[in-house]
Amino acid sequence: AQSVTQPDIHITVSEGASLELRCNYSYGATPYLFWYVQSPGQGLQLLLKYFSGDTLVQGIKGFEAEFKRSQSSFNLRKPSVHWSDAAEYFCAVGSRSSGGGADGLTFGKGTHLIIQP
Amino acid sequence: DTGVSQNPRHKITKRGQNVTFRCDPISEHNRLYWYRQTLGQGPEFLTYFQNEAQLEKSRLLSDRFSAERPKGSFSTLEIQRTEQGDSAMYLCASSRNIGNTIYFGEGSWLTVV
Repeated sequence: AQSVTQPDIHITVSEGASLELRCNYSYGATPYLFWYVQSPGQGLQLLLKYFSGDTLVQGIKGFEAEFKRSQSSFNLRKPSVHWSDAAEYFCAVGSRSSGGGADGLTFGKGTHLIIQP
Repeated sequence: DTGVSQNPRHKITKRGQNVTFRCDPISEHNRLYWYRQTLGQGPEFLTYFQNEAQLEKSRLLSDRFSAERPKGSFSTLEIQRTEQGDSAMYLCASSRNIGNTIYFGEGSWLTVV
């Protein structure tokens, strides 16, 4: 069964500083990988996704993520955070055989990002 | 695209009552998904539809839960005889087909008192 681990429950970063959120997955083959962001009481917004090709993926709002097969990781990065980036961030893995569809996405428990002024 | 729409956004109900949530997916999206999210957790897959056919159900979906998508467009999720443990946010999502991005709605919050 596939699984996702987000080791950091909370991360505090100063505004303007760089950010890296960790994500490790367990899956038997190359999966589909996603990062979503969720503001309080809201649904999930897709930041970026990896399906194939270039392992460095660019997303919205200045975020990027790098797929590292050898480490089973898909860490999210941003060079300079803004106060509006404060939110919950979820990494997710989808079955390649079903395109993330047949059995849905498996999410990590999330990382709560706090931005210090 | 107008996005995935969910109604109601919030529902407070007494234990034992039935509740129904509605989801309108993005137009022409064939796949529709239901997830449940409790506080401090990531969303958990419940079920999904390919057009009107319900193709997969998680073991989380007990007999008190039923989902339909009668015409392959909107979907409903009904919870019968609600329990306090059902309190959660119920998220609907849709995608065009296999391999396409899954877009989420803003969720329907359920509080069972």
